[in-house]
Amino acid sequence: GAGVSQSPSNKVTEKGKDVELRCDPISGHTALYWYRQSLGQGLEFLIYFQGNSAPDKSGLPSDRFSAERTGGSVSTLTIQRTQQEDSAVYLCASSATSGGASEQFFGPGTRLTVL
Amino acid sequence: AQSVTQLGSHVSVSEGALVLLRCNYSSSVPPYLFWYVQYPNQGLQLLLKYTSAATLVKGINGFEAEFKKSETSFHLTKPSAHMSDAAEYFCAVSPTGFQKLVFGTGTRLLVSP
Repeated sequence: GAGVSQSPSNKVTEKGKDVELRCDPISGHTALYWYRQSLGQGLEFLIYFQGNSAPDKSGLPSDRFSAERTGGSVSTLTIQRTQQEDSAVYLCASSATSGGASEQFFGPGTRLTVL
Repeated sequence: AQSVTQLGSHVSVSEGALVLLRCNYSSSVPPYLFWYVQYPNQGLQLLLKYTSAATLVKGINGFEAEFKKSETSFHLTKPSAHMSDAAEYFCAVSPTGFQKLVFGTGTRLLVSP
């Protein structure tokens, strides 16, 4: 079956612009996660959704970052007024349940470059 | 906070040699532990996970890991390396009471002919 998909695969933007990154989880997966992977910080958790609600937003680095999930499916991560330090690969993952032992399935990521 | 430490940012082995990638966790109670692999320009793929059912965990592609509480370790091994094993490997913990994964800094495995 189809895995987690993300779009776009690459995004180049200018400093100060807003960007939206999209994640399509595996069908039927109730939990969805966003992570960021960068050279300086490694792999960092950003936010977790259970259904359409986000009980854990603790990893969002600033109020320029926000995310939503609609219909218990697609999620969008929005970065406003992008900065060069936002350049990273943004990874989305989904899991069938929200338990700590649940396997998270990862998408290929969106590589964001802020000029 | 629960975390994992991966020793060695790069590990080089010859094809056919033993692979040993080290991971130590910090937790007073046995956590859920995972090993993920990332091939170039791809997302992460689960190799194996420890959920307290058995201390020796077998995963995909011939990898296995042993949970050792006395050493707070969860090292990843493979008896014989293959060229296709060249990738970056991440150890991760799911902290108790949380749904997220906390990753180690990763170890890049290089396999030479």
